[in-house]
Amino acid sequence: NAGVMQNPRHLVRRRGQEARLRCSPMKGHSHVYWYRQLPEEGLKFMVYLQKENIIDESGMPKERFSAEFPKEGPSILRIQQVVRGDSAAYFCASSAAGTDTQYFGPGTRLTVL
Amino acid sequence: EDQVTQSPEALRLQEGESSSLNCSYTVSGLRGLFWYRQDPGKGPEFLFTLYSAGEEKEKERLKATLTKKESFLHITAPKPEDSATYLCAVQASGGSNYKLTFGKGTLLTVNP
Repeated sequence: NAGVMQNPRHLVRRRGQEARLRCSPMKGHSHVYWYRQLPEEGLKFMVYLQKENIIDESGMPKERFSAEFPKEGPSILRIQQVVRGDSAAYFCASSAAGTDTQYFGPGTRLTVL
Repeated sequence: EDQVTQSPEALRLQEGESSSLNCSYTVSGLRGLFWYRQDPGKGPEFLFTLYSAGEEKEKERLKATLTKKESFLHITAPKPEDSATYLCAVQASGGSNYKLTFGKGTLLTVNP
């Protein structure tokens, strides 16, 4: 029973580089959510996706951040031209259609030098 | 705007010393209230969902309760392995009813 999988677990980037974070939902789950956890802050909603559709990206910064969940393969959160303020833990969660409970992955810890 | 406030921020207990964690929330309409446990360096682990005032859920030494304004996570006779950060989150009814709004968590330490 594989849970939500995220990779890489740790990612180090220099300012200006691109960061690409991957998330594979639990088997049978078609809904994916991305959250960000800044130091000393609670988890903050970023984006909600279903296969090939972005349902709500209201929590994502308007520039440099994008997300996708293609028909085949994992969901990807992409951060272009990273800045130090992007350093955080990024968590992916998934849920089955018609259910409320979101199950979280282990997170990707992004460090921007 | 939905808000979740957890207290205390940190709590130290001796093994076997029961206590409660508080989660106060403000939401236009509550769809569900969720409790998660998070260990250092890991993702939140789902514990409970509560949907209506008066509802209670139990799992081992943990019991979650819900009123119209707050939820409590009661820990009975805790053990050192219960040490973790406990997170509370709400899901509002209405348009964005999938979005979880989290509190900052309560860091629980149980000493042997």
